[in-house]
Amino acid sequence: QVKLVESGGGLVKPGGSLRLACAASGFTFGDYYMSWIRQAPGKGLEWVSYISDSGININYADSVKGRFRISRDNAKSSLFLQMNSLRVEDTAIYYCARDPKPKQLVPSDWFDPWGQGTLVTVSS
Amino acid sequence: SYELTQPPSVSVSPGQTASITCSGYRLGDKYASWYQQKAGQSPVLVIYQDIKRPSGIPERFSGSNSGNTATLTISGTQAMDEADYYCQAWDSSTAIFGGGTKLTVL
Repeated sequence: QVKLVESGGGLVKPGGSLRLACAASGFTFGDYYMSWIRQAPGKGLEWVSYISDSGININYADSVKGRFRISRDNAKSSLFLQMNSLRVEDTAIYYCARDPKPKQLVPSDWFDPWGQGTLVTVSS
Repeated sequence: SYELTQPPSVSVSPGQTASITCSGYRLGDKYASWYQQKAGQSPVLVIYQDIKRPSGIPERFSGSNSGNTATLTISGTQAMDEADYYCQAWDSSTAIFGGGTKLTVL
């Protein structure tokens, strides 16, 4: 079955860096757009970034543009999020989520499925 | 920037119909999706492309989208439906989520 497992979360000081990973299984990873979506404690969902199946088409939320970088390794069925210059307001559970349809030119309109998330805490 | 607005909370009695709205400028011109998030769990898709239900989602979940408002309707609400619900749409290559609605079944 389709499975997404995030890792790499933890406690980091403001200004620090962290690299998240999402291990995918149960489907042909290289055929799908992938996204990162986050949720601050007790708050709502916020889309962070997406990357196309080839890695060519990438976009970021304004709140992370210039600080975060999304990438993927299709040979290893893995998605990454390099987070630099972290701020207290980046504290959140970070979910990876898959596009529902393979081989799309643009992201589909919804996300399915989602991983279980990894917690990033930015605090001094 | 584009915004989606949801009521913070909705209450419903068991067996009754719950309606959760999501408002945004000309939202009816976009596709709306809905996610259910139970306490301590990841979000789960319950409605996509305004009205479609993924496999495994009960028929009591339905959706509509017209004008400036998308609506998630839960008919015959059950205690297990108590959760946070989020609407989502795309605008200018950016995915936008509503602030979420806490559904209480009492």
